[in-house]
Amino acid sequence: QSALTQPRSVSGSPGQSVTISCTGTSSDVGGYDYVSWYQQHPGKAPKLMISDVTKRPSGVPDRFSGSKSGNTASLTISGLQAEDEADYYCCSFAGSYTFYVFGTGTKVTVL
Amino acid sequence: QVQLQQSGPGLVKASQTLSLTCAISGDSVSTINAAWTWIRLSPWRGLEWLGRTYYRSKWFYDYAISVKSRIAINPDTSKNQFSLQLSSVTPEDTAVYYCAREFSSCQDSWGLGTLVTVSS
Repeated sequence: QSALTQPRSVSGSPGQSVTISCTGTSSDVGGYDYVSWYQQHPGKAPKLMISDVTKRPSGVPDRFSGSKSGNTASLTISGLQAEDEADYYCCSFAGSYTFYVFGTGTKVTVL
Repeated sequence: QVQLQQSGPGLVKASQTLSLTCAISGDSVSTINAAWTWIRLSPWRGLEWLGRTYYRSKWFYDYAISVKSRIAINPDTSKNQFSLQLSSVTPEDTAVYYCAREFSSCQDSWGLGTLVTVSS
């Protein structure tokens, strides 16, 4: 099972919006509404930011939002802040044989 | 608030078995509402889901195809923890290993991670 494809890096100025794509196949992203997104700061554990494509856990700022179209999911960060600079990973359920597949990871830089 | 505390050696010799433990507080390893997973992060493979165990009247175990012949994840109800054993390790198994709780098809709580280096 191949990893989901994410851009290696995206960047934006404070206050701007950035969108990270996560491209898979009909066997994972396109087949299930079980896409999640994780934020990871250096040396820290990943933190759940979005579940089930669009759901935001308690405590996650509403400037983080998720969506999906076909085999591609997206994470949008609106009103970019310095603390948003981190690595971001998507994850999708991929059926009862592969179970879960992660994305390749995207480094978000706040200029 | 679920907290996961990882423990285990950070250095393992090639061909030996990697063993890590994850102690759970704020939830039960026997809960019917979650699963308990191991995930690793390496420069060459990125984040990789390794497997999980969960209780639904009996214990279930699911493993990634890539490690299925070498992996075991076991619950310990007496200590409210679960463990990872990965046998016949090679330098390619060098990674940061995380334990996590799977709730509603995502990993909502993570341990801090353990860097395990496999020496040749």
